[in-house]
This record gives sequence, C-alpha cells and structure tokens, in this order.
Amino acid sequence: GAVVSQHPSRVICKSGTSVKIECRSLDFQATTMFWYRQFPKKSLMLMATSNEGSKATYEQGVEKDKFLINHASLTLSTLTVTSAHPEDSSFYICSAVSGRGENIQYFGAGTRLSVL
Amino acid sequence: SQQGEEDPQALSIQEGENATMNCSYKTSINNLQWYRQNSGRGLVHLILIRSNEREKHSGRLRVTLDTSKKSSSLLITASRAADTASYFCATDPHDYKLSFGAGTTVTVRA
Repeated sequence: GAVVSQHPSRVICKSGTSVKIECRSLDFQATTMFWYRQFPKKSLMLMATSNEGSKATYEQGVEKDKFLINHASLTLSTLTVTSAHPEDSSFYICSAVSGRGENIQYFGAGTRLSVL
Repeated sequence: SQQGEEDPQALSIQEGENATMNCSYKTSINNLQWYRQNSGRGLVHLILIRSNEREKHSGRLRVTLDTSKKSSSLLITASRAADTASYFCATDPHDYKLSFGAGTTVTVRA
C-alpha cells in the first residue's frame, strides 16, 4: 500500500513553455501533498505544501506564480512550471501523507525536467 | 529549511560489512525518520523513531536517537550491493513538514 505515482518521469521542453507534473496517491487519500526540488547530490528543498481544496503554502523564496500548484482532489496534486527557463531544470519530487497516524511521507519517483 | 546534517557525506564499504551513518539536528522534534533514495528515483521510507524512543530495529536496520545530543544514527548490518543508495534523515518538528539532511551516499562493493 501507500503508492504515489508521479508523471511524467522525464520531460524536455523549450524555454518559455509550461510543464505540468502530476502526483497521484493510488491507494490512499492524501490530505496533504508536498512538492520538493532536488539539485544534484543535494538534499530535498521543500517548495510548497498542498492541501486538498485550499491554496498551497509556499516556502520562502519560491515564486507561487512560477510554480502553480493545484490540489483538486484527495488523490491528485499538480505542479505547473510556467514559462520554464533553463535555471528551472531540476529533479522535482512529490510526496503525500495520509493524515492518519505518523507523519510518514510516501514519495513519487520524481520528474527530471530539462529546459533547453 | 534544512535541519538535519548527515555524516559522512559518502561511505564505501565491502559487501557483508556494516555501514553506519549519523544525523545531527538543531530543534526539538516529534520524531526522526530515515529515507533511502536510489539514483534518480524518489525516496522510500525506512524507519521512524519517536522522540521518546532510544533505539529501534527493522530487519538489518538499527536506528538510535539521542535527543540530549540531538543526534541519530542508522546502522545497516551485513550490507549488500542492493543497499547502494543515498540515505537521508528527516526530522519532524511537530508541523507535518519534514526537514531533510543532505544525505549520505553509500556504495557497497561486491
């Protein structure tokens, strides 16, 4: 149980285009989902916390108009990188918590974004 | 913000040996968790230890927690090539957000 699916796994796009990444909890309802960015050989940097039916909470320094987050249902959150630029190239990972019991996060497999 | 710091940054061992890595943190926590990440993949939860626990075991994993020193250790016994991965500690400071350390990269040589 506790499977999180993240799609796509890899995307290459041209500068100026927008890219949408989906994160789905397959076998549980996720009250909260998190979006992280990870640089090579570095830790995860929390970008935002997404709660179903409400606006996402962004971490300091993360542009909310640049990284649009929508948590439309208890099983789906999307991250849209708008007007992507080469500096947005990174590994983006989502995670989800069920809201029951311990705060264990279940992670998607990540999305490698390359902006040309 | 990043709170946990792992030590060492990288570790290379022979198959069958034990691997030990440490994590230090700064603020009070509800629990501390260890995750594993294979290259280019998401993280997988390994084990959680609560702030009132001192030691926990799961299979070949042993985790200790010393809240007075704000530190934790992860021991992997009888390592296998498949244990090659990056290991992250994550602290839960009561607000549902996890703060991850920079990770320890473990390479197990066959």
